[in-house]
Amino acid sequence: AQSVTQLDSQVPVFEEAPVELRCNYSSSVSVYLFWYVQYPNQGLQLLLKYLSGSTLVKGINGFEAEFNKSQTSFHLRKPSVHISDTAEYFCAVSGTGGSYIPTFGRGTSLIVHP
Amino acid sequence: SQTIHQWPATLVQPVGSPLSLECTVEGTSNPNLYWYRQAAGRGLQLLFYSVGIGQISSEVPQNLSASRPQDRQFILSSKKLLLSDSGFYLCAWSRDIGTDTQYFGPGTRLTVL
Repeated sequence: AQSVTQLDSQVPVFEEAPVELRCNYSSSVSVYLFWYVQYPNQGLQLLLKYLSGSTLVKGINGFEAEFNKSQTSFHLRKPSVHISDTAEYFCAVSGTGGSYIPTFGRGTSLIVHP
Repeated sequence: SQTIHQWPATLVQPVGSPLSLECTVEGTSNPNLYWYRQAAGRGLQLLFYSVGIGQISSEVPQNLSASRPQDRQFILSSKKLLLSDSGFYLCAWSRDIGTDTQYFGPGTRLTVL
């Protein structure tokens, strides 16, 4: 079975500061990894995903994530955040064997202060 | 382009009442469809998914059920709501399972009193 741990439930940061949202996964097979963002009272939308190839993945809104197989991590980063980045961020993993259905983490609330 | 609709947007229901939430997808055919529930601080819990008409897989035993009467329609139901059914319900679709992006609807906020 696969699982996802988002280590921080809430991350406060000042505008224009860098941010890293942490995600670790557990899976016995090859994985596909996703980051989604959810603005208040809305559905989720994809920020970026890793399927194969380069371990550094660039997404929308200036976000990027790095797949680290040895550390089973897929941390999300942005060099300079904006007030509009305030939202809930979800990491998800699906596996190539067993359950293909993505498993989501509990989410990290990013709060950007002016 | 593809769009996904959910209704109603908000719903307040008494305990023991029935429930019907509807999700429809436009602009694609034979989508994989999903129902998730989101409770505060608990992330997304997969409730049901469907790979085709009449094919429903249940992930969590509960008093909810799902049906897919048409290719692009997914319905979440309950005969008798419990207080614990309160939450934010999200419908999603994808072309493939596993590697493909999931596209989420706007959600339904359900409050059971």
